Amino acid sequence: AQSVTQPDIHITVSEGASLELRCNYSYGATPYLFWYVQSPGQGLQLLLKYFSGDTLVQGIKGFEAEFKRSQSSFNLRKPSVHWSDAAEYFCAVGVNRQYIFGTGTRLKVLA
Amino acid sequence: DTEVTQTPKHLVMGMTNKKSLKCEQHMGHRAMYWYKQKAKKPPELMFVYSYEKLSINESVPSRFSPECPNSSLLNLHLHALQPEDSALYLCASSLKDRLDTQYFGPGTRLTVL
Repeated sequence: AQSVTQPDIHITVSEGASLELRCNYSYGATPYLFWYVQSPGQGLQLLLKYFSGDTLVQGIKGFEAEFKRSQSSFNLRKPSVHWSDAAEYFCAVGVNRQYIFGTGTRLKVLA
Repeated sequence: DTEVTQTPKHLVMGMTNKKSLKCEQHMGHRAMYWYKQKAKKPPELMFVYSYEKLSINESVPSRFSPECPNSSLLNLHLHALQPEDSALYLCASSLKDRLDTQYFGPGTRLTVL
């Protein structure tokens, strides 16, 4: 079955530490890939997206993500986390006119 | 302007009430969406409007009734809701279809008593 997996429900990092949030998908074709961030009680904001081309994608707020076809992954990274990055992060996959969200990873940042 | 606005921000209603949620965008987007999001869960797609026509209804109960009066506006009419319908209702829009970047509004927090 087609699916989007974010294996980490919660992640806690210290401010200034690096961050990697994982996203894996199971689709035959190369999908469109997105990362969104959601602060509590707010809507979703697009961080970055991948459609084709360079597999390392730069986004807003210092985030980047790398598409790895061989691993069916699209992991989100940030070299130095700020306290304001504490939020829920959703990976989303678009393929065959479907748009599927992962279950989300809640990021907590320690001062 | 990449903003999607939603009103009201919060809504409390009884099970016999009729209310409406409103969503507006002025980005020239031709696809608009309603999502329902329960706490600690990803958004669940409810409806998709494409060029002001309902293109997808994800088996949503008839107590939710969408309406797209024009290309900038999207409404969600609510009637005889149940307490389990309490959630954050998100509106989004994109240029043409779901594979385009979706821009989300801040949501309406709905509580059904």
